Amino acid sequence: AQKITQTQPGMFVQEKEAVTLDCTYDTSDPSYGLFWYKQPSSGEMIFLIYQGSYDQQNATEGRYSLNFQKARKSANLVISASQLGDSAMYFCAMREGAGANSKLTFGKGITLSVRP
Amino acid sequence: DADVTQTPRNRITKTGKRIMLECSQTKGHDRMYWYRQDPGLGLRLIYYSFDVKDINKGEISDGYSVSRQAQAKFSLSLESAIPNQTALYFCATSLGTDNSPLHFGNGTRLTVT
Repeated sequence: AQKITQTQPGMFVQEKEAVTLDCTYDTSDPSYGLFWYKQPSSGEMIFLIYQGSYDQQNATEGRYSLNFQKARKSANLVISASQLGDSAMYFCAMREGAGANSKLTFGKGITLSVRP
Repeated sequence: DADVTQTPRNRITKTGKRIMLECSQTKGHDRMYWYRQDPGLGLRLIYYSFDVKDINKGEISDGYSVSRQAQAKFSLSLESAIPNQTALYFCATSLGTDNSPLHFGNGTRLTVT
């Protein structure tokens, strides 16, 4: 089974509207972390937001928030007030294990296009 | 200046050639990683190192080797390049805590003909 699943092939959103990018994960580890990264067309990978499995509240970073539903094993990224510069590929990633056994696994990514 | 620097940015090489991709960082992080990105496959971990004396295989280490020359330097070698190693390669670093995000270099685009 895939550790991280991002099934939306491509998303479109109107500028200034909110958009949700889906991510589901699979782990039996009680302690894990979830990350979202943005990759614009220029290619660099930019860290956006982090959610720990024991965090009581959903993470927020500016216009980014993470809708963490632990029982459903989902960690959807919500981008509010979309901007043209948000057009990019977005990757969800999960860290399992601890210390030397810690590994980060990435999903296949979702392409977001923001329309003016 | 970038905190995580990869050289070269682009490289075209021929099948069978040995090639080295270099990564250096000024972030002072202990953990360093090499990933490759292929269209539709996301990022896959090749090797990682949690300190100078620690080297670990990732999920796709076959055909690759690494060297951690110093805390700040982590190089990836392809001993005999093959066309299916054509990809975008990323070096990344992180702090020594499990909730620390990865900080990526700008990538090396490698083409093996």
